[in-house]
Amino acid sequence: NAGVTQTPKFQVLKTGQSMTLQCAQDMNHEYMSWYRQDPGMGLRLIHYSVGAGITDQGEVPNGYNVSRSTTEDFPLRLLSAAPSQTSVYFCASIENNEQFFGPGTRLTVL
Amino acid sequence: RKEVEQDPGPFNVPEGATVAFNCTYSNSASQSFFWYRQDCRKEPKLLMSVYSSGNEDGRFTAQLNRASQYISLLIRDSKLSDSATYLCVVNGNTGFQKLVFGTGTRLLVSP
Repeated sequence: NAGVTQTPKFQVLKTGQSMTLQCAQDMNHEYMSWYRQDPGMGLRLIHYSVGAGITDQGEVPNGYNVSRSTTEDFPLRLLSAAPSQTSVYFCASIENNEQFFGPGTRLTVL
Repeated sequence: RKEVEQDPGPFNVPEGATVAFNCTYSNSASQSFFWYRQDCRKEPKLLMSVYSSGNEDGRFTAQLNRASQYISLLIRDSKLSDSATYLCVVNGNTGFQKLVFGTGTRLLVSP
């Protein structure tokens, strides 16, 4: 099993650009989530999904969209990138209260 | 007050030392507690869950004190490979979306 995979590993955007961060898992977990991690702050939940076709907002959803068309994939879209979205983004799938994180995407918005 | 608070460290200890971290939480209704480990520039990984009666996994011991609202992690016989950031995670309610992550405590184990 590959577990949770994320692409790209690194990305630099200009303010106003849009992009999609990809996340996939091969463990057949129903629950998936997106977090951002910033210095001096814990991981914060952006959006989450409890199954295909079902998504909901987390703590910091503004500026991000998600969709969950399949169990495996949970992409995160930045609609119009802002410097405040410079962060490390982690996707996770959840089983029995354990979060399995992907390797992360380091995003810089100039 | 932050929902979950940790001393950021770093804790600098020699190999073989015993080191302990505490984490305080503000929500008295919190149900579940975890310690995650995060290596530099890597993703967090579950180290252990924390049970009411306390639990041990090899050199690692986790304890919960509901009255004082803190959890602790004790590492015995520290190894160089224990150098990492340890994240305290508290679930304030049922459902993972209520998970609150601490900012982490950094541990540096030196030869």
